[in-house]
Amino acid sequence: QKEVEQNSGPLSVPEGAIASLNCTYSDRGSQSFFWYRQYSGKSPELIMSIYSNGDKEDGRFTAQLNKASQYVSLLIRDSQPSDSATYLCAVKPITSYDKVIFGPGTSLSVIP
Amino acid sequence: DTEVTQTPKHLVMGMTNKKSLKCEQHMGHRAMYWYKQKAKKPPELMFVYSYEKLSINESVPSRFSPECPNSSLLNLHLHALQPEDSALYLCASSQDSGNTYNEQFFGPGTRLTVL
Repeated sequence: QKEVEQNSGPLSVPEGAIASLNCTYSDRGSQSFFWYRQYSGKSPELIMSIYSNGDKEDGRFTAQLNKASQYVSLLIRDSQPSDSATYLCAVKPITSYDKVIFGPGTSLSVIP
Repeated sequence: DTEVTQTPKHLVMGMTNKKSLKCEQHMGHRAMYWYKQKAKKPPELMFVYSYEKLSINESVPSRFSPECPNSSLLNLHLHALQPEDSALYLCASSQDSGNTYNEQFFGPGTRLTVL
């Protein structure tokens, strides 16, 4: 089992719709979870961090964490073509705070 | 604007060349990281420096040699690379490395091509 898994893409949604990106992790003791957005040819950009169970909202983005289910998600409301990118889920394992484990990424395409 | 800068943006080198990648952060962070990213793959951790000391080396070949002259600067010295080392090299920094809540912020990367 991979340490961090994400729903396989590519994911296509129409403009204005809600995009749902999912991530599961294997280390039950993990405490910190991050979502990065990466445009093609660019570096990853941190868009959300979440540490507690529940929802965390920032503009059109909502991160959801359920530690019991070892599941973290990112919802993008009112999706825009500019949201088209690869979204990377990253988890800090309890065994090492020095590093984050990245999932494989989900490619999102928002269709005008 | 990113507060982690990397130079050069692009680098083409032969297998016998010696070159260096440079990274600088302006956020007062005490942990810095080197990652390698191949196309359509997530970033792969290479090295971690914490308070200017190497804390993690992810079994990286010795043709990659990191250096941290001070808490704001991070270098990656390259020597005798192989074509398969061609990738995007990313530098990141965080407030420190021993705290689970610290976020990592990436620089724009150096696109390396080895001929």
